[in-house]
This record gives sequence, C-alpha cells and structure tokens, in this order.
Amino acid sequence: GAVVSQHPSRVICKSGTSVKIECRSLDFQATTMFWYRQFPKQSLMLMATSNEGSKATYEQGVEKDKFLINHASLTLSTLTVTSAHPEDSSFYICSASGTAYSGNTIYFGEGSWLTVV
Amino acid sequence: SQQGEEDPQALSIQEGENATMNCSYKTSINNLQWYRQNSGRGLVHLILIRSNEREKHSGRLRVTLDTSKKSSSLLITASRAADTASYFCATDPTGANSKLTFGKGITLSVRP
Repeated sequence: GAVVSQHPSRVICKSGTSVKIECRSLDFQATTMFWYRQFPKQSLMLMATSNEGSKATYEQGVEKDKFLINHASLTLSTLTVTSAHPEDSSFYICSASGTAYSGNTIYFGEGSWLTVV
Repeated sequence: SQQGEEDPQALSIQEGENATMNCSYKTSINNLQWYRQNSGRGLVHLILIRSNEREKHSGRLRVTLDTSKKSSSLLITASRAADTASYFCATDPTGANSKLTFGKGITLSVRP
C-alpha cells in the first residue's frame, strides 16, 4: 500500500485564488519531504526541500512567496500555491524520506493535478 | 539543469522482447535510482545501484552502472504490456536521503 499520500489528487481553482496540497507519510516519520513539479511529458523539477520544524529550502527560480511550504509535523507537509495563475497548472508530486527507513529509498506520493482556470 | 539524460526518449517494443534504456549523468554520485511512472501517476521506485556496484538484479530488471562513463542502463526482460510507462533515472549525490535529480525520462510502449 501507499506510504506517502497526497491530497487532493485533482483540483481546479480560479485564477487569483490559493490552493493547498497535502503530503502525508503514512507509515513513518518524514524528517524531510521534497516537492516536485512536472509538466506533461517532462521530467520532475525539484521545487523545494521541506524539513520538519524549519523553513523550506527553495531551488533557484522558485518563488517562495508564491509556493508556500509548511512542514509542521513529522507526517505532514503542505504546498500552498498562492494567487494561482493558469501557468501554475501542473502536476505536483511530493516525496518523503525518514529515519525509519534504512538505505536511500525515497517514497513518492501519487501526485496532484492542479488546473487553474 | 538536468543531471540525468536517458536515451532513447521513446521506445516501442513487442511483448516478450527485452527493453534497454540508458541514462547518462554529469556529476559524481553516491547512487543512481530508476523509477517508473504510469501516465498521470506518482513514481514507483524500481531499483537502486550504489556507486561501488556494477550490476544489480531485481526480478526482470537488471541495472548496470559504469561510473567511469557516468552511465547506467536498465534492462527489462520478457516485457509485458503492463510495463508500458515512463522510466526515469535519478541521481543521489550524497546518499543521505538527499534530493534526487531526475533525467528527462523514457516512454516505453509494449505492444501486446
């Protein structure tokens, strides 16, 4: 079964509104979560690294005021797309790693489709 | 910038045939991982190979790693229609559950 859950799987919002996507680790405590963005038929682009209890680290070119990331607990990280525009429409995927797991396997969520109309 | 570059970008084969996908990268790595993604879905981890390993097997999957050439290959033997998906290689520079850098992906179509 899934060990990382994303919600919602699909969301449509109007331009100018904000939308929140949740990423939960189900069977382990995730000290670090990663948020990716993926355009159709393209690769995953890392947006930010989210560490529990501290500020997220954003990749170059990613607006931290537009893509708000909160990692308030060891099982939940949220990505809020603020003042969404149609160009923010994309597939957003989170992944999580934690101390409960040995090795370097990182578990991915099922992704969230965002459509801004 | 993309670390991994897979080739071919698209591959179409008949069920039962083997599928070979290649990945090249640019910087040093601790390990390289292969993932599978069904259309519009999340990623599924397939296999991880460390920089001190040259070959690894998992079921019908065989992965090789050549650190001198900075390249890896993923072989799927006896392919099935259900193997149709996109496949990505991803590099981990430090191995400490650090962020992964993904290649552009290969779209594999297996014809029944």
